[in-house]
Amino acid sequence: AQSVTQLGSHVSVSEGALVLLRCNYSSSVPPYLFWYVQYPNQGLQLLLKYTTGATLVKGINGFEAEFKKSETSFHLTKPSAHMSDAAEYFCAVISGNTPLVFGKGTRLSVIA
Amino acid sequence: DSGVTQTPKHLITATGQRVTLRCSPRSGDLSVYWYQQSLDQGLQFLIQYYNGEERAKGNILERFSAQQFPDLHSELNLSSLELGDSALYFCASSVGQGPSTEAFFGQGTRLTVV
Repeated sequence: AQSVTQLGSHVSVSEGALVLLRCNYSSSVPPYLFWYVQYPNQGLQLLLKYTTGATLVKGINGFEAEFKKSETSFHLTKPSAHMSDAAEYFCAVISGNTPLVFGKGTRLSVIA
Repeated sequence: DSGVTQTPKHLITATGQRVTLRCSPRSGDLSVYWYQQSLDQGLQFLIQYYNGEERAKGNILERFSAQQFPDLHSELNLSSLELGDSALYFCASSVGQGPSTEAFFGQGTRLTVV
C-alpha cells in the first residue's frame, strides 16, 4: 500500500528565506504526487502535481517540487517565503486506482 | 471558491446521535470523495462514489454510511456518534476517477460531539 511521510510537523522560516518542505512516499507502482495547501478554516487547494514527464513541477504562488524516484521524494520549495505562505501543507500520493493518500501535514510559519 | 459546497459548516451534537453531512460537487464532476481530518489521524480517506456507485472504501466505520444521489450530490451519515468522531469532514469532487484527475475540496463540516 502507498504511504506518505512528511518530515517535520512544523517548519518556521523568516520572510524572504527559502521554504523547503519534505515529503517521501512509498508506492509499489509509479505514483502520482500532489501538494495541497490548507489555509485556516478553509478546504484544501492544489498547489501542484506530478503525473508523468518533467520531474520538476511548477505550481501556484511560486512553489515548485521535484520528483526524485531514486530517493522516493517529492520535496516542496519556494525561493522566498512570504507572510501569506503561512498555512498547512499536505503531500499526497495516488498509485494505481486508489484515491489520494495524504501525509500528516506540515505547518509553515513565516516570521517577519 | 472551489465550487464544492458542504453543509452545514458547523455541527454540534451529543453522543449517540445521528447526523447527515451534505456535499454538492462542482458542476460536471462525477466523483465524490469523503475525508475525515482529525488532529491525531490526519486526513483519512473514507469513501468514494462515482456517478452514483461506490468505487472505493477506506477507513470508514460501520457506523458511517454514504450515498450519491442521481443529481450527484452526496450525503455522509454518521450514527451512534462518539466523542472521537469529532473532526473536520471534507468532501472533494473530480470530473473522473483516474489518478491524474484533480480533486477539488469543499471547506468542510466541523463536527463536534459533546
